[in-house]
Amino acid sequence: EAGVAQSPRYKIIEKRQSVAFWCNPISGHATLYWYQQILGQGPKLLIQFQNNGVVDDSQLPKDRFSAERLKGVDSTLKIQPAKLEDSAVYLCASSLAGGPGYEQYFGPGTRLTVT
Amino acid sequence: GNSVTQMEGPVTLSEEAFLTINCTYTATGYPSLFWYVQYPGEGLQLLLKATKADDKGSNKGFEATYRKETTSFHLEKGSVQVSDSAVYFCALSPGSGGYNKLIFGAGTRLAVHP
Repeated sequence: EAGVAQSPRYKIIEKRQSVAFWCNPISGHATLYWYQQILGQGPKLLIQFQNNGVVDDSQLPKDRFSAERLKGVDSTLKIQPAKLEDSAVYLCASSLAGGPGYEQYFGPGTRLTVT
Repeated sequence: GNSVTQMEGPVTLSEEAFLTINCTYTATGYPSLFWYVQYPGEGLQLLLKATKADDKGSNKGFEATYRKETTSFHLEKGSVQVSDSAVYFCALSPGSGGYNKLIFGAGTRLAVHP
């Protein structure tokens, strides 16, 4: 079974520029998550989708971050404009469903450097 | 609120040594608890989990017991190998709301030397 795919793997941009990350979850997984992992810290949930609806975006900086999940499958996370403190690894994960018994499977992440 | 605290690293051990990585949590309700591992150059992988008090999760020689009275979920392995070198993350999933977002600790880097 193919895992969670993410692209690009690495991105370097200047502050105030925009950037987009793409995630393709495991086929059939209804729930999709985006996490931000700053160096030296654990991942922090940014947004959670159930199919194509948002169920938790309480920690998403909505003035600059946006995310969508097209047709309940692929997802895109965008930052516009980027700040230095956005430098991090952005992880996408998916699970079969949203309940507590369902394992989350993580992609390899996109490492963003903002200069 | 919900949070996870784990021991700071790095933890450096010789092969075949005993490993303990401490993890304590704060949570409302009845969370599920997890250990994830991140090997060099790879993504996060679930190592083990426990969903209720006194449950013991185990995998690949690692184990952890959900202790509600001490709000702890310490990771242990009796004899580590060089291949266990990785970053280990303790995490919880809040028991309420029906959705399983994960709240992670800061991670503990383990280095095992031959």
